Amino acid sequence: QKEVEQDPGPLSVPEGAIVSLNCTYSNSAFQYFMWYRQYSRKGPELLMYTYSSGNKEDGRFTAQVDKSSKYISLFIRDSQPSDSATYLCAMSEGGGSNYKLTFGKGTLLTVNP
Amino acid sequence: ETGVTQSPTHLIKTRGQQVTLRCSSQSGHNTVSWYQQALGQGPQFIFQYYREEENGRGNFPPRFSGLQFPNYSSELNVNALELDDSALYLCASSAGRVNFNVQQYFGPGTRLTVT
Repeated sequence: QKEVEQDPGPLSVPEGAIVSLNCTYSNSAFQYFMWYRQYSRKGPELLMYTYSSGNKEDGRFTAQVDKSSKYISLFIRDSQPSDSATYLCAMSEGGGSNYKLTFGKGTLLTVNP
Repeated sequence: ETGVTQSPTHLIKTRGQQVTLRCSSQSGHNTVSWYQQALGQGPQFIFQYYREEENGRGNFPPRFSGLQFPNYSSELNVNALELDDSALYLCASSAGRVNFNVQQYFGPGTRLTVT
């Protein structure tokens, strides 16, 4: 079993739709949860960063973490064609030598005008 | 833009050759991590350097090595290239080792093709 599982999609939605992206994980030591956006042939760009369980909102983006279920989500409201990209979840145990990011495979999202 | 730059953008090498990839971190970021991203996969952690010393390593063989310099630049060296080394190589910089490590800022990557 991989440490982080993410449905690779592809996911295609009409402009204005609410998008839900999800990851599950098996390592209960993960404390930091991130979502990155990666456009084609570019490096990942940090979108959201959450510590432990709970919700975090930033504009049209909401990140949710449920550590009891080992499940994290990213919601995109009023999706735009410019949101078309691959979305990667990433996790870290954090602190000291537990610094590395463990990524999911990424979900390819297309928002159609 | 993250302020992290990488060179070259693209590179084609032959199996068995050696390659050096370069990264320039954000000013003030004393930690750099390197990741390998195969096509259709998420990035895989190779290793991390903190203040010019290796701070940890993923499941990559010793022919993957690195260096970090005081001027916020770093290198990834790969010896005896194999076909499976073809991937996008990403460096990511961050401001510290404890806790701040999680906020890593990625460069655009170097796409390496091994033939």
